[in-house]
Amino acid sequence: DTGVSQNPRHKITKRGQNVTFRCDPISEHNRLYWYRQTLGQGPEFLTYFQNEAQLEKSRLLSDRFSAERPKGSFSTLEIQRTEQGDSAMYLCASSLRGPNQPQHFGDGTRLSIL
Amino acid sequence: DQQVKQNSPSLSVQEGRISILNCDYTNSMFDYFLWYKKYPAEGPTFLISISSIKDKNEDGRFTVFLNKSAKHLSLHIVPSQPGDSAVYFCAAAGNNDMRFGAGTRLTVKP
Repeated sequence: DTGVSQNPRHKITKRGQNVTFRCDPISEHNRLYWYRQTLGQGPEFLTYFQNEAQLEKSRLLSDRFSAERPKGSFSTLEIQRTEQGDSAMYLCASSLRGPNQPQHFGDGTRLSIL
Repeated sequence: DQQVKQNSPSLSVQEGRISILNCDYTNSMFDYFLWYKKYPAEGPTFLISISSIKDKNEDGRFTVFLNKSAKHLSLHIVPSQPGDSAVYFCAAAGNNDMRFGAGTRLTVKP
């Protein structure tokens, strides 16, 4: 199965620490998206890449958040100086370029801030 | 701003009957609509989609209907099966922006 892969599946850390998540998209997909999901809500868009270019960022993405996709393949999402409110499921999705292309999601990284 | 709304947090149906999940959107710039299914501890799985030039798309037991004038879409599952029990999210996309509803938990009783 060559679906979207996310690591780690779970991350528990103390408030104030930095965390980094990795996403490996479906290999032929050139678009990659990051979302955040909290309990009882749908996924909320954070940012997206087309190849290595970060084309859009949500205002939800504060200065403590940074995402990279250096070679247009895998992506990392880093959160610096984590806060309690950062506790959530972080989802990655990928899609082909072009209109009307569905996004395919990974199983997410669940972040818990102690 | 809730641009995509699923007003029913839960729905329970009997096996073999029809399940109808509803979704409303506010932004007329959306031109592509999707339904995702989510099991616990897994990411959302793409189910079916429809572009704004159509009013119906069917894939096996799943049919999505789009009413653009009402800004409303629905997912019909018939016949419903216990394995369909999951949270269903609708999503609306346009201009590289995709918004999700809060989800409807479907329970199909044997």
